[in-house]
Amino acid sequence: NAGVTQTPKFRVLKTGQSMTLLCAQDMNHEYMYWYRQDPGMGLRLIHYSVGEGTTAKGEVPDGYNVSRLKKQNFLLGLESAAPSQTSVYFCASPPAASSYEQYFGPGTRLTVT
Amino acid sequence: DAKTTQPNSMESNEEEPVHLPCNHSTISGTDYIHWYRQLPSQGPEYVIHGLTSNVNNRMASLAIAEDRKSSTLILHRATLRDAAVYYCILTGTGNQFYFGTGTSLTVIP
Repeated sequence: NAGVTQTPKFRVLKTGQSMTLLCAQDMNHEYMYWYRQDPGMGLRLIHYSVGEGTTAKGEVPDGYNVSRLKKQNFLLGLESAAPSQTSVYFCASPPAASSYEQYFGPGTRLTVT
Repeated sequence: DAKTTQPNSMESNEEEPVHLPCNHSTISGTDYIHWYRQLPSQGPEYVIHGLTSNVNNRMASLAIAEDRKSSTLILHRATLRDAAVYYCILTGTGNQFYFGTGTSLTVIP
C-alpha cells in the first residue's frame, strides 16, 4: 500500500513547454486534489475531483488543466509553462468528504526557466 | 470559505507543552477545524480535526472555544521532531481546504 505517489519528483521546463504531472493513489478514494506551494506560503488549491470523470476548479486554476479518467489517477497538465508556475506541487486524497484527513504525496518540484 | 489567523512563528522548549492558537471568527456552523503540519521538504501531514467538542489523539489535543471562533492545538510534550509549520484550516461543504501561511514552530533543545 503506497498511499499517494507523484511522478516525477523533479522537473525543469523551458517557458512554453508542456508537461503532465501524475498523481496516483491505491486507497480507492473518491476525492483527489492538486495544490501548489510557493516559497514561504501555504498551499493553494488548483483543481480537485470528487470522483472518476469529474473535475472542478479550485483557488488558482488558470494555466492548468486536469483529468480523472481512472479513479486511482489524477493528472495535472501545463499546456504552456510560464516562470510563474515554478512551484512545488502536491497531490492529496482524503477517504471521503472534507471532514476526513487528506493523505498527501511527497510533492513535485517544478522549475520553469 | 472562512479564513483563519495564526501567529507567524512560535518557540518552545523541548519536552514542554505547546499551545498553538488559531482565530476563525467567521466560521460557519458546518465548518470543521483541521490542523495539519508540514515538516521541511515534505507534504503536509494530518494532525487532528474537530467540529464542536475537544478532541484528543496520539499526536495532539484540539481545544475548541465554546463559540467556535477560536481553537488551540496542544502538543503535550514538544520534541525536536515537532518542529514544523502548523496549519489551521476550516472546511465546509465545498470540500476545499484553504491553507493560510501557518505557524512555524521552533523547538529549542
